[in-house]
Amino acid sequence: EPEVTQTPSHQVTQMGQEVILRCVPISNHLYFYWYRQILGQKVEFLVSFYNNEISEKSEIFDDQFSVERPDGSNFTLKIRSTKLEDSAMYFCASSDEASNEQFFGPGTRLTVL
Amino acid sequence: EDQVTQSPEALRLQEGESSSLNCSYTVSGLRGLFWYRQDPGKGPEFLFTLYSAGEEKEKERLKATLTKKESFLHITAPKPEDSATYLCAATVYGNNRLAFGKGNQVVVIP
Repeated sequence: EPEVTQTPSHQVTQMGQEVILRCVPISNHLYFYWYRQILGQKVEFLVSFYNNEISEKSEIFDDQFSVERPDGSNFTLKIRSTKLEDSAMYFCASSDEASNEQFFGPGTRLTVL
Repeated sequence: EDQVTQSPEALRLQEGESSSLNCSYTVSGLRGLFWYRQDPGKGPEFLFTLYSAGEEKEKERLKATLTKKESFLHITAPKPEDSATYLCAATVYGNNRLAFGKGNQVVVIP
């Protein structure tokens, strides 16, 4: 069964460093998303991506964040200068249609020290 | 502001003891109501999508229903493997973002 994959599963970084989180969405999906979940809190939307551009972003997704689809299979989230409060689980998701269910990857646990 | 609220936050059930989880939503222009299951340290796993009031969907021991203000996830004769956090999320017309509730943490005791 097709699934969303994410690497790495756990990333530890120092405050101020750049990190890139990687995702491979389901192959025939066209809509891609990033969400995050701070420990003990709800899952929060960050950004959606369609047709090689951002279609929507939340207030959390400020200038420190960027997304890219560098090739036909990968979808990345870059945080330019990490802060302590960026520590969270980051989930990638994809869907075939905008209104349909989104399938989530296993997540990357980001720890900022 | 669009809101999704789930209750109860936590629930302990004896194996075989049926129960219901509630998700109430105050959103403008609901497009879809989604239920996911999340195990500790894992990503949300899709369960159901509901689009209109009166709609019901079933999968094994789970049944999801939708009214104009809330959705219920009924767990019939639960087993220990049904222990998880169940997440409710809504999308509205005009955007694709899932707005999640905080979840219902369910523990089923053998």
